[in-house]
Amino acid sequence: DAKTTQPPSMDCAEGRAANLPCNHSTISGNEYVYWYRQIHSQGPQYIIHGLKNNETNEMASLIITEDRKSSTLILPHATLRDTAVYYCIVRVQIQGGSEKLVFGKGMKLTVNP
Amino acid sequence: GAGVSQSPSNKVTEKGKDVELRCDPISGHTALYWYRQSLGQGLEFLIYFQGNSAPDKSGLPSDRFSAERTGGSVSTLTIQRTQQEDSAVYLCASSRRDRGYGYTFGSGTRLTVV
Repeated sequence: DAKTTQPPSMDCAEGRAANLPCNHSTISGNEYVYWYRQIHSQGPQYIIHGLKNNETNEMASLIITEDRKSSTLILPHATLRDTAVYYCIVRVQIQGGSEKLVFGKGMKLTVNP
Repeated sequence: GAGVSQSPSNKVTEKGKDVELRCDPISGHTALYWYRQSLGQGLEFLIYFQGNSAPDKSGLPSDRFSAERTGGSVSTLTIQRTQQEDSAVYLCASSRRDRGYGYTFGSGTRLTVV
């Protein structure tokens, strides 16, 4: 019951920008978009999150469309170490105050030399 | 500590035995989550703790699974009468309760039931 859809895979050349798309057309007004990545055999690593404004940190930039139905994670200068499965996630608030991150299948980004 | 700590990192157990997996969240993080990830699959939500509130157990796959969180800090996930389909990586994450904060995951416990 993931609320996001991502392409299954993407390739990118080392040193180029990697633009990772995500659709979340049913997102609610108070739900944040989170991006995580998982490198083989490790726990997921937080990258960035946003609500409606574009965000930038030392790892990446997050561009959210004005209608909030889609977003793009941008890795400005991809390196071989950025090869990982990237998860776009909507933080779901459940009735009663509980909440959870619902992970979909993610998107495998392969950075090629 | 600086991160979420899980132990053991690897556990091999015989079918039918009980196992306990431990999670030490980041100090001050009031929210704690357990997920599991089977080989080649995405993450599956198991349980959520928030402060002193009753936990959200909606993701636990069967009554063989239980979890507790003592003193609002350390959490233990217990699997009774383990089955081969329980083999997976069990991941713990913690977060500040404030909305808009990321979750920090531990490195997981790889459970193998033989």
